[in-house]
Amino acid sequence: GAVVSQHPSWVICKSGTSVKIECRSLDFQATTMFWYRQFPKQSLMLMATSNEGSKATYEQGVEKDKFLINHASLTLSTLTVTSAHPEDSSFYICSAPGGGGPKDTQYFGPGTRLTVL
Amino acid sequence: EDQVTQSPEALRLQEGESSSLNCSYTVSGLRGLFWYRQDPGKGPEFLFTLYSAGEEKEKERLKATLTKKESFLHITAPKPEDSATYLCAVQAGGSNYKLTFGKGTLLTVNP
Repeated sequence: GAVVSQHPSWVICKSGTSVKIECRSLDFQATTMFWYRQFPKQSLMLMATSNEGSKATYEQGVEKDKFLINHASLTLSTLTVTSAHPEDSSFYICSAPGGGGPKDTQYFGPGTRLTVL
Repeated sequence: EDQVTQSPEALRLQEGESSSLNCSYTVSGLRGLFWYRQDPGKGPEFLFTLYSAGEEKEKERLKATLTKKESFLHITAPKPEDSATYLCAVQAGGSNYKLTFGKGTLLTVNP
């Protein structure tokens, strides 16, 4: 149990285009999901908290108009990187708490590698 | 502000050579401390959750312990397949599940 998937696994896009990344909880429901980004050889940095049926909460310094988050159902959250630029190239990972594991434990997706040319 | 410091940054062991990884933390009301394993190019894989000082959890060659200021991940007789980055994270009370991560320890186990 407690499986989180992401799609796509990797994406290459041109500067100025938008990219959508999906995060799904496959065997449990999640009213809250989290989006992180990770630069090479660095740890995970929380970008935003995705809340089902309401607006996302963004961490300080994260541009909410650039990183659009939609939590449309109890099993799906999407992150759209709008007008992507090379500096947005990174590894994006989502997580969700629950899944029948230990209390408050988050389970992570496999990540999405974004490369902006 | 919650802080997590992991040491060492990197650790190289011979197969069978036991050792420990350290995670020191400061948090306003610990709700939980989490250990994850991350392989290159993949998302973190859950290992353990610890809730209170004195608690211990074990899984195969790994054992996690917790005090009021730090946690240790003990690796007994490691194998090459244990090579990965080990991440420690804390969750504060009232944080709505938010995790604060350390920078991780890159473990390499040589055959």
